[in-house]
Amino acid sequence: ETGVTQSPTHLIKTRGQQVTLRCSSQSGHNTVSWYQQALGQGPQFIFQYYREEENGRGNFPPRFSGLQFPNYSSELNVNALELDDSALYLCASSFQGAAGNTIYFGEGSWLTVV
Amino acid sequence: SQKIEQNSEALNIQEGKTATLTCNYTNYSPAYLQWYRQDPGRGPVFLLLIRENEKEKRKERLKVTFDTTLKQSLFHITASQPADSATYLCALADSSYKLIFGSGTRLLVRP
Repeated sequence: ETGVTQSPTHLIKTRGQQVTLRCSSQSGHNTVSWYQQALGQGPQFIFQYYREEENGRGNFPPRFSGLQFPNYSSELNVNALELDDSALYLCASSFQGAAGNTIYFGEGSWLTVV
Repeated sequence: SQKIEQNSEALNIQEGKTATLTCNYTNYSPAYLQWYRQDPGRGPVFLLLIRENEKEKRKERLKVTFDTTLKQSLFHITASQPADSATYLCALADSSYKLIFGSGTRLLVRP
């Protein structure tokens, strides 16, 4: 167990809808990153939050947005869902970023867009 | 553009043998390289981190090498067991905020 919990574990949405995914980071971790993993691919970096501020973003459109709360939990919001958004969404927590530190992933939220 | 390559074909080995997985990268100068294990339907699990100034790192039956001249990392599992069967992901980082992952190599260890 990594101490990183994500919800929901599975969900199905219709194209054009909006979705919110949630993540509770491991105790003591102040950084949360979100990744998208399509079937058969490695995770792709969406963005990272450090102390409630966005700290870096990958090549994802603005309809992917996020929040980090004072307790360091986080949300990923995706608007105007497209079929290609179907994937496993992973939350990762760490203390101060990715490089040089152990990163703990949650089990992910499986999103299917129909 | 940055590219990370891991063997897309599954590696199939006999129990007790050493598994060696390869990670090659181009157009990148990572400060750190990490290896993860991922089981079907689960999130990745951190295994090892190696820095650019380190040649080799070991942890129990695991060994990672990092050659910044060849732009390659090798990941070894000695005395492999069927429980080691999983997908292994290589990830690079050059800054504090993101990891760039390869597509992973699936390892199958036959009893």
